Amino acid sequence: DSGVTQTPKHLITATGQRVTLRCSPRSGDLSVYWYQQSLDQGLQFLIQYYNGEERAKGNILERFSAQQFPDLHSELNLSSLELGDSALYFCASSVEGSPPYEQYFGPGTRLTVT
Amino acid sequence: AQKVTQAQTEISVVEKEDVTLDCVYETRDTTYYLFWYKQPPSGELVFLIRRNSFDEQNEISGRYSWNFQKSTSSFNFTITASQVVDSAVYFCALSEAPQETSGSRLTFGEGTQLTVNP
Repeated sequence: DSGVTQTPKHLITATGQRVTLRCSPRSGDLSVYWYQQSLDQGLQFLIQYYNGEERAKGNILERFSAQQFPDLHSELNLSSLELGDSALYFCASSVEGSPPYEQYFGPGTRLTVT
Repeated sequence: AQKVTQAQTEISVVEKEDVTLDCVYETRDTTYYLFWYKQPPSGELVFLIRRNSFDEQNEISGRYSWNFQKSTSSFNFTITASQVVDSAVYFCALSEAPQETSGSRLTFGEGTQLTVNP
């Protein structure tokens, strides 16, 4: 158990809908990262938050957004869903700083768009 | 831009065989960090090791060992006396020193599916 929790574990929804994925980081970690894992794109970095502020953006679509709340939990919002958004979405957390520290991953949310 | 290549898509071995998973990386930074993660069939990503670019000493942890060679930009992972429970997808990843807009993102390779047969 990494100490990172994600809900829900599975999500099935229809095209055009909007969903919210939730993540709670390990106790003491200020950084939260979101990654998408799909068969065609592999594991891709989406976005990083540090102590409530956006720190870095990767290949995140404009239809996707995220935020980190004062209690450090984070949410990833996916809207106008398309079939191609079906993937496993991971949240990870770490101690932020220089050098980069290992990231601990949650169990993931499997999103299926039908 | 940084890139990680794991040329072996799938490897199949028989229990007790040694197996090496290859990882080649590209980066323009002189300071960077390399990682290995394991993804068992249950799906979660499990952290295995983190190495920095200034430490080329090989590392051993039980049946696992890692060989970092800066000259060939490689960070290979060897499992000695493999077991069925080692069956998983293994990912190599790279992170450069955090910058203002790049944060501490991990760039992953495509992964190597290791199957250990009894």
